[in-house]
Amino acid sequence: EDQVTQSPEALRLQEGESSSLNCSYTVSGLRGLFWYRQDPGKGPEFLFTLYSAGEEKEKERLKATLTKKESFLHITAPKPEDSATYLCAVLVAGNQFYFGTGTSLTVIP
Amino acid sequence: DAGVIQSPRHEVTEMGQEVTLRCKPISGHNSLFWYRQTMMRGLELLIYFNNNVPIDDSGMPEDRFSAKMPNASFSTLKIQPSEPRDSAVYFCASSLAPGGGKNIQYFGAGTRLSVL
Repeated sequence: EDQVTQSPEALRLQEGESSSLNCSYTVSGLRGLFWYRQDPGKGPEFLFTLYSAGEEKEKERLKATLTKKESFLHITAPKPEDSATYLCAVLVAGNQFYFGTGTSLTVIP
Repeated sequence: DAGVIQSPRHEVTEMGQEVTLRCKPISGHNSLFWYRQTMMRGLELLIYFNNNVPIDDSGMPEDRFSAKMPNASFSTLKIQPSEPRDSAVYFCASSLAPGGGKNIQYFGAGTRLSVL
């Protein structure tokens, strides 16, 4: 059965304290892995897509990486405005999307 | 573009009533997705359409739920009759047709449904 697991469920960081969020997946026929950011009361907002192991994407303080079993979202020197829930999703054969339950990130000034 | 537009933003209804949620996808997108989000289960895909045709409705929880896409610019998700356990945030998303890996989904702001 296709499965996506994110950890930790919640993470509190001091401003400037770098860390990583994990998204592990067990799927057949991975076609892409997506990272989204969700702010309270809003819909998920697209951040990155990764398609093959070894691929990396960067945007400001965020960097996403992909291996054959998991993806990491690295946050370097986070700021309070980075506080949000970060969701990962996998696209598998048949155009099925599966979302993880997310990591709630709080960055304390 | 205004993005994916959902209405209403909030809906409060009583158990047994019919609820209709509406979605206008991004112009030019031909895939549309309905999701339900709860604290316990996260985002769950209910159904998705490609070129207005339902492709996979295996996520629709039961026969009380139905979805339609009469044209490329409009979709509805209907719950009849509604039950308290249907309370959740319902999201609509749209994307370009799968191809070349360009499957980025763009989400609406969601409809928060409360069934009393």
